[in-house]
Amino acid sequence: AQTVTQSQPEMSVQEAETVTLSCTYDTSENNYYLFWYKQPPSRQMILVIRQEAYKQQNATENRFSVNFQKAAKSFSLKISDSQLGDTAMYFCAFMERDSGYALNFGKGTSLLVTP
Amino acid sequence: DVKVTQSSRYLVKRTGEKVFLECVQDMDHENMFWYRQDPGLGLRLIYFSYDVKMKEKGDIPEGYSVSREKKERFSLILESASTNQTSMYLCASSSPRTGYYEQYFGPGTRLTVT
Repeated sequence: AQTVTQSQPEMSVQEAETVTLSCTYDTSENNYYLFWYKQPPSRQMILVIRQEAYKQQNATENRFSVNFQKAAKSFSLKISDSQLGDTAMYFCAFMERDSGYALNFGKGTSLLVTP
Repeated sequence: DVKVTQSSRYLVKRTGEKVFLECVQDMDHENMFWYRQDPGLGLRLIYFSYDVKMKEKGDIPEGYSVSREKKERFSLILESASTNQTSMYLCASSSPRTGYYEQYFGPGTRLTVT
């Protein structure tokens, strides 16, 4: 099974600052997808951003962007201008194209945004 | 918007009881998934289904079974609940037709087995 590693169990950032959450993965496949999901204290898991492995350009969604380093198997999430509402658990997830569409999740990073 | 609903937000059951967790999605998605979420372990896949009456084991299927009689509904069954099945259970759905493969999650069911 593919392994997804999030090495930062907890992080803290001040409002309006920038924070980067790290994620590495292990696979021998070439066709795959990577995702960052956010789970606020209300528990509803929502998609933050996705990246197709065949695309070299890093994905961006408003204040959220990724640094995708395919050779290094690294997929970090950068949150710019952090807001209090960004406080949540963040999960990195990997999906192999031929896996039946099942996601393999990291253990998560708990992010706290402070005033 | 995709909506995935789960039958209960909180559930308390006794050891040995048969437990049904229901999940319904309203976007005609082919794929449905059941995950278990525990602190420090992330989400672990229990079972998934890519079509009606089809099911595939995930990483931790022991002690669980599933049923998918209709496309929109995917049930997780604990045949004989045990205390080590106390956890948060998340259901999700997706469709390859979107081309994006992301999964949409329900709000979760917090199950306590006493």
